[in-house]
Amino acid sequence: GAVVSQHPSWVICKSGTSVKIECRSLDFQATTMFWYRQFPKQSLMLMATSNEGSKATYEQGVEKDKFLINHASLTLSTLTVTSAHPEDSSFYICSATSGTDNQPQHFGDGTRLSIL
Amino acid sequence: AQSVTQLGSHVSVSEGALVLLRCNYSSSVPPYLFWYVQYPNQGLQLLLKYTTGATLVKGINGFEAEFKKSETSFHLTKPSAHMSDAAEYFCAVTRYSGAGSYQLTFGKGTKLSVIP
Repeated sequence: GAVVSQHPSWVICKSGTSVKIECRSLDFQATTMFWYRQFPKQSLMLMATSNEGSKATYEQGVEKDKFLINHASLTLSTLTVTSAHPEDSSFYICSATSGTDNQPQHFGDGTRLSIL
Repeated sequence: AQSVTQLGSHVSVSEGALVLLRCNYSSSVPPYLFWYVQYPNQGLQLLLKYTTGATLVKGINGFEAEFKKSETSFHLTKPSAHMSDAAEYFCAVTRYSGAGSYQLTFGKGTKLSVIP
């Protein structure tokens, strides 16, 4: 089945640093990738939609200068949390799809980000 | 606009008992529906999906769901619960977000506990 690899799985860093999270589709071409944020005991909140080779589309309320998304190839998207602060601590999950409406999104295992 | 309602944020069943997780959707177009499972500190794993055709859909781990258009429902069932089924379950419906992208709208999730 389709596999999406997300790295790293856990990050602890100091306030003010930038953190990059990678999302790779290992066995299919992901024309579209999504980045979600999940707060404890809550559902997934879509942050942005990323199509290969174009700028990401951010959901309302998500700071695009804070959360930089790059989708440079059909198998890789990155999310960079710039100048991270404790309120950015969360569980970040990426997903990838081949793009058509009836194809499911395949999810990475998530990244637990803790900002001290 | 699409939306998903999961009735019951927490469901407890005894091991060996029937599992029933409820999902109702709202969609202005024929929906594509999905059930995902999430284990602690992990991403989401696709259980099953409904796109077209047979309304009773079988998924992994013995789960199945039935699409009922008249009731706008897509309830998830499993005849006999196993301890390993304890997890968070999310129902989702696809929605078109423009520019050729399809996004998922998630329900708030149902936590399933299995009592030995």
